[in-house]
Amino acid sequence: VQLVESGGGLVQPGKSLKLSCSASGFTFSSYGMHWIRQAPGKGLDWVAYISSSSGTVYADAVKGRFTISRDNAKSTLYLQLNSLKSEDTAIYYCARGGIPLFDYWGQGVMVTVSS
Amino acid sequence: DIVMTQGALPNPVPSGESASITCQSSKSLLYSDGKTYLNWYLQRPGQSPQLLIYWMSTRASGVSDRFSGSGSGTDFTLKISRVEAEDVGVYYCQQFLEFPRTFGGGTKLELK
Repeated sequence: VQLVESGGGLVQPGKSLKLSCSASGFTFSSYGMHWIRQAPGKGLDWVAYISSSSGTVYADAVKGRFTISRDNAKSTLYLQLNSLKSEDTAIYYCARGGIPLFDYWGQGVMVTVSS
Repeated sequence: DIVMTQGALPNPVPSGESASITCQSSKSLLYSDGKTYLNWYLQRPGQSPQLLIYWMSTRASGVSDRFSGSGSGTDFTLKISRVEAEDVGVYYCQQFLEFPRTFGGGTKLELK
């Protein structure tokens, strides 16, 4: 199992960014997937979930600004980040759902929101 | 939201000794199926988190038997026997009974 995030970078407040998580080594379409973030020097903060049938759930802090999606044909998970704020600055991890939960994590991708 | 609160360790921990990390949830994580919806993770410096324990007391694949989880519906303990250098890092508990999936603030383990 491997999860590889990409798409991070430096972005100005109010702008947008799209993260990707490429999955391999398991049947991606059969698993729910999650995004979790970690602000510099802080703890873990769950962001969003998408089920195998593409139902979604979001943390209140990102609801209406972030969109989680998936492309099963490409075994890829996405997170569209809009209206970014400085407090969204963090390492963003994708993690596999199912049981046990979060048994595999990506290496993380850094998003920095700053003018 | 379910609030997860972790205790601190009396750092540093002498190598070879045991360490116990506590975690408390604001709501019982024991579900009607008899399972307790709590996980433990270790994040080593500069690495992604790693799953250690799920269902409160089941070790994840490949995890050393020096790690054990126990508890009730709201009070949980992760015990690390014979602490080694590779155990250094931050430990997190996390509930997966409800959305949002919430984590404890983390407990840092340092080695003496």
